[in-house]
Amino acid sequence: GENVEQHPSTLSVQEGDSAVIKCTYSDSASNYFPWYKQELGKRPQLIIDIRSNVGEKKDQRIAVTLNKTAKHFSLHITETQPEDSAVYFCAASRSSGTYKYIFGTGTRLKVLA
Amino acid sequence: EAGVAQSPRYKIIEKRQSVAFWCNPISGHATLYWYQQILGQGPKLLIQFQNNGVVDDSQLPKDRFSAERLKGVDSTLKIQPAKLEDSAVYLCASSPSIGQDDGYTFGSGTRLTVV
Repeated sequence: GENVEQHPSTLSVQEGDSAVIKCTYSDSASNYFPWYKQELGKRPQLIIDIRSNVGEKKDQRIAVTLNKTAKHFSLHITETQPEDSAVYFCAASRSSGTYKYIFGTGTRLKVLA
Repeated sequence: EAGVAQSPRYKIIEKRQSVAFWCNPISGHATLYWYQQILGQGPKLLIQFQNNGVVDDSQLPKDRFSAERLKGVDSTLKIQPAKLEDSAVYLCASSPSIGQDDGYTFGSGTRLTVV
């Protein structure tokens, strides 16, 4: 069945360093890959997404790369700050809005000051 | 634009009791989802509505869970009877109509504790 694997489950970095979270998906029909940030007790918030027709997308300190052949995609956060500390979820879907998202198991990122 | 509204925010019930959650999606959003997020895990889809019709309920435990979206706007999710393993955050999300690639937005969720 459809599955998304996410690694690592926890990640600690020093403030200012980079953080990388990796996901692998199984459904070859997936063409939309959002990343959500979830702070404790709050709703998941979309931080960046990528569609299958591009290989990379960047938004300030956040970037996402996609390798369709290998069916994996990654989130890159540069110059990390304490406020980046949260749980990050990747997801894969056949559509950005009309099909379910299959979520990874999450990565708890801790940025140490 | 108002967000996705959910209520209640928290609910504590005893096992075998029933509970209902309510969701009001963003105005004009045709697609509505209910996700279950167990502590330490990613959200898992329970049911997807397109207007007032069910698109996907393959992972909904239909012996105890039910959901409806009368009139294609608000939705309710019910659990009857609840089990300990139903303790989770229930997230509602909505997205625009087909053809609009804006992704979807989550509500704040209802945290259910079954004791």
